[in-house]
Amino acid sequence: NAGVTQTPKFQVLKTGQSMTLQCAQDMNHNSMYWYRQDPGMGLRLIYYSASEGTTDKGEVPNGYNVSRLNKREFSLRLESAAPSQTSVYFCASRLAAQETQYFGPGTRLLVL
Amino acid sequence: QKEVEQDPGPLSVPEGAIVSLNCTYSNSAFQYFMWYRQYSRKGPELLMYTYSSGNKEDGRFTAQVDKSSKYISLFIRDSQPSDSATYLCAMKRGTGFQKLVFGTGTRLLVSP
Repeated sequence: NAGVTQTPKFQVLKTGQSMTLQCAQDMNHNSMYWYRQDPGMGLRLIYYSASEGTTDKGEVPNGYNVSRLNKREFSLRLESAAPSQTSVYFCASRLAAQETQYFGPGTRLLVL
Repeated sequence: QKEVEQDPGPLSVPEGAIVSLNCTYSNSAFQYFMWYRQYSRKGPELLMYTYSSGNKEDGRFTAQVDKSSKYISLFIRDSQPSDSATYLCAMKRGTGFQKLVFGTGTRLLVSP
């Protein structure tokens, strides 16, 4: 099992450009999450998908959109990147019967 | 005031020392408590998970929850250089989908 995988590992964007961060899990988990991690701020929830076909806003959703493509895949889209979106983005997944989340390796995003 | 407070460190100890990492929280509704370990440029990985108050031991690691004081701890015995990482506490209110609230992490450095 690869667990939770994320692509790309690193990306540089110019202000106003768009991009999609990809996440996939092979653990047959129901719920998937997108977080951003910034120094001194900890992990903050952007969006989540409690189950296939549903998505909801988290703590910091502005400037982002998500798609739960199927049970395995959950993508995060930045339509018009801003320097404030420079961060490390983590995807996570959780099995419905468990309380713990499993994280991917992260995508480091730099917006110039 | 943040819901979960964690000293950022760094905490520097010699190899073999006993390490104590702590978090305080303000929301008495939290029932599930987790510790994640995050190596540099990697995703968080689950280390310990406890429900409600009490202790839980796993090898060199012991997680302790004191709900009356709203205080949780992670103890590492016989610390090793490979324990050098950032340790994140996380907690949630109930079962199923509930928002996981993270501390900002404590950076631990174990010197040989």
